[in-house]
Amino acid sequence: GENVEQHPSTLSVQEGDSAVIKCTYSDSASNYFPWYKQELGKRPQLIIDIRSNVGEKKDQRIAVTLNKTAKHFSLHITETQPEDSAVYFCAARPLGNQFYFGTGTSLTVIP
Amino acid sequence: DAGITQSPRHKVTETGTPVTLRCHQTENHRYMYWYRQDPGHGLRLIHYSYGVKDTDKGEVSDGYSVSRSKTEDFLLTLESATSSQTSVYFCAIGNTDTQYFGPGTRLTVL
Repeated sequence: GENVEQHPSTLSVQEGDSAVIKCTYSDSASNYFPWYKQELGKRPQLIIDIRSNVGEKKDQRIAVTLNKTAKHFSLHITETQPEDSAVYFCAARPLGNQFYFGTGTSLTVIP
Repeated sequence: DAGITQSPRHKVTETGTPVTLRCHQTENHRYMYWYRQDPGHGLRLIHYSYGVKDTDKGEVSDGYSVSRSKTEDFLLTLESATSSQTSVYFCAIGNTDTQYFGPGTRLTVL
């Protein structure tokens, strides 16, 4: 099955700086890559996603890039704010409707 | 949040007892999923359903069974709970790409 690796596991940045989280996947058939944000004690919430026919997608301060050749995709958060502090998960979906998640990145934004 | 609820939200049980968790949706989504979340492991798929009475195993299905007799309900059963099944369980729903997660159930097996 698919294997998704996520790095780093923890990340601390100063408020206003950028944060980058990277994921790699193993199954070249994966065609959909969502990112979720999970605040403490809450459910994961979809924040952005990208499909395999697109190289980059932006939504305000959040962007995701995809490199199919290298099988990696990244989440970029610019102008970080304290409310961005949370755990972020990447996921990949190969053929069918099973999703495989990374192990999460705990982001702390220091005011 | 999408119309998805889980019950119970918290449960403490003893080793060897059966446990059933319920996921209920009001969105008429085709796909329903059960995940468990443990520190250091992220979200791992237990079972999923692609229609009424149509289910399939995920990567950590041992010790779990599921049933879906109606579009809106997806049940997860632990036939004989073990301490290794102490976890937070999330249900999710979706139609094509996007998944929406329920609020979670915290299960403790003593």
